[in-house]
Amino acid sequence: KQEVTQIPAALSVPEGENLVLNCSFTDSAIYNLQWFRQDPGKGLTSLLLIQSSQREQTSGRLNASLDKSSGRSTLYIAASQPGDSATYLCALTGFQKLVFGTGTRLLVSP
Amino acid sequence: DVKVTQSSRYLVKRTGEKVFLECVQDMDHENMFWYRQDPGLGLRLIYFSYDVKMKEKGDIPEGYSVSREKKERFSLILESASTNQTSMYLCASSLSGRAHEQYFGPGTRLTVT
Repeated sequence: KQEVTQIPAALSVPEGENLVLNCSFTDSAIYNLQWFRQDPGKGLTSLLLIQSSQREQTSGRLNASLDKSSGRSTLYIAASQPGDSATYLCALTGFQKLVFGTGTRLLVSP
Repeated sequence: DVKVTQSSRYLVKRTGEKVFLECVQDMDHENMFWYRQDPGLGLRLIYFSYDVKMKEKGDIPEGYSVSREKKERFSLILESASTNQTSMYLCASSLSGRAHEQYFGPGTRLTVT
């Protein structure tokens, strides 16, 4: 059974810092990995999708990498801003469905 | 832009009531999904559908049913609401196949009293 863990569970940084969020999974038989952000009380917004054959994807200040052999993905956020404050979730598509990580709650203070 | 909409942002129902949650997507996606999200438990899949009139059970289907009569609409039904079904309900859609990005709606916060 796929298990997905995100570390740290919470992170607080000052504005302008570069930061890395981690996602670990136990089964490397995945189709893709998706990173989402969720604002309090809201739905999920898709940030990046990495296909299993890819190593990384970039969108603006965000860069996500995937290493299937080690069961890890990282989300790198450059020059963080207060508007980046949210919960970040990784999710893996396995046999039929997404399996979600536990989330990292990020707070960027001005 | 993909748009997934849900019929209500907030809903309060009484124990025993029949509850309908509606989800509509405008991108002609084949796959649609219903999740619930609870503190400490994360997101869990209730049901999904990969075509009109098709449905598959997810991880926690007990107490729920679904209906997909049209491609763009996927309904979640609580036959007899109970307090343990108080939760945030999220709908998502994607193109067919397993490798495609899922797009989520804004969520419905359901409270059963």
